[in-house]
Amino acid sequence: DQQVKQNSPSLSVQEGRISILNCDYTNSMFDYFLWYKKYPAEGPTFLISISSIKDKNEDGRFTVFLNKSAKHLSLHIVPSQPGDSAVYFCAASAYNNNDMRFGAGTRLTVKP
Amino acid sequence: DAGVTQSPTHLIKTRGQQVTLRCSPKSGHDTVSWYQQALGQGPQFIFQYYEEEERQRGNFPDRFSGHQFPNYSSELNVNALWLGDSALYLCASSPGTDNPYGYTFGSGTRLTVV
Repeated sequence: DQQVKQNSPSLSVQEGRISILNCDYTNSMFDYFLWYKKYPAEGPTFLISISSIKDKNEDGRFTVFLNKSAKHLSLHIVPSQPGDSAVYFCAASAYNNNDMRFGAGTRLTVKP
Repeated sequence: DAGVTQSPTHLIKTRGQQVTLRCSPKSGHDTVSWYQQALGQGPQFIFQYYEEEERQRGNFPDRFSGHQFPNYSSELNVNALWLGDSALYLCASSPGTDNPYGYTFGSGTRLTVV
């Protein structure tokens, strides 16, 4: 039962351009949505989050958008840098539920 | 300040054997969660420990068990290993149980079952 889906296994963009990573979910009980970034041989690191009461959250070059009616969220990275090359996981959880669900990840490659 | 430490980093076991993986949480964190990440998939929640008790469990069989010690470190035990148990096992720590934003992950233990 895959409740969080990242349908693009990979994405390649040019340095300086925008990277858009997408995520869809099926469980309407999800309240918190998070993006994690993972480099090879390292654990995932928390990047940015959004709660269900918001539709946008911005942190520097990273912005997450949430469309609750479409059960869709996206991560925008502007401008993209080569150091952003990593696997990005979308995750979601419901209030008072620690069973955080992850998508399968999208591998982002930013070319110089 | 050390983050989350997991040991060993790599492990090879034979089907039917038992394995123990270890995790030391980040300083100041008292809650430990374990995740299994199979190849090409995202991490899947196994269980969470707080105050030395299992607080919540994901959809994993009883072959998966755990323990948390008074110093907040934790162990994940898997009995009767299957080939399908081959995965990266991630430990995440946090300050409290209801704090998904505060998860700090370790680098994981790569388990291969042959």
